[in-house]
Amino acid sequence: GAGVSQSPRYKVAKRGQDVALRCDPISGHVSLFWYQQALGQGPEFLTYFQNEAQLDKSGLPSDRFFAERPEGSVSTLKIQRTQQEDSAVYLCASSLGTGPDTQYFGPGTRLTVL
Amino acid sequence: AQSVSQHNHHVILSEAASLELGCNYSYGGTVNLFWYVQYPGQHLQLLLKYFSGDPLVKGIKGFEAEFIKSKFSFNLRKPSVQWSDTAEYFCAVIGSSNTGKLIFGQGTTLQVKP
Repeated sequence: GAGVSQSPRYKVAKRGQDVALRCDPISGHVSLFWYQQALGQGPEFLTYFQNEAQLDKSGLPSDRFFAERPEGSVSTLKIQRTQQEDSAVYLCASSLGTGPDTQYFGPGTRLTVL
Repeated sequence: AQSVSQHNHHVILSEAASLELGCNYSYGGTVNLFWYVQYPGQHLQLLLKYFSGDPLVKGIKGFEAEFIKSKFSFNLRKPSVQWSDTAEYFCAVIGSSNTGKLIFGQGTTLQVKP
């Protein structure tokens, strides 16, 4: 079966541009997470969806970051007016249920802001 | 708040050597613990997890971890490493039982020399 997929795999943006990163979770998975991984660091939580509801966005670093999952499946993470400090790998993960459960990760999108 | 500390940032071993990677977490109620691995060029994948029961957990590829509540530790072990174990290893704890979001350590890079 298909795992979690993300696109694009690589994105180069000029400072100030808006970007959109897509995540296709495993079919039927209720929970979806976004993480940010800076070079040499572990992933850091950004936001969480349960179906289409965004229940936790406490990790979003600024109001330039926005995520949605309108139909409870595909999710998009949007970053407006990108800054150099936004350069990182953005990981998406999904899990079957809610609460403590195994999360399955996608390959990530490597964003480089010049 | 939950946090995870991995003591070894970069470990170099020869094939057939034994491995132990340290992981300590901060206490925050019910503990759910994970080890994830990221092989070169691949996405994060689950090695093993502890939710409850036997504190000695066995995972894939001969890895195991022991949950020691009194020491707030969840160290990863393997009796004899192989060159193919070269990867980055992340310890993680559930940061919220409501959402299941993960709090990661900063990772340990393991290099196994043939």
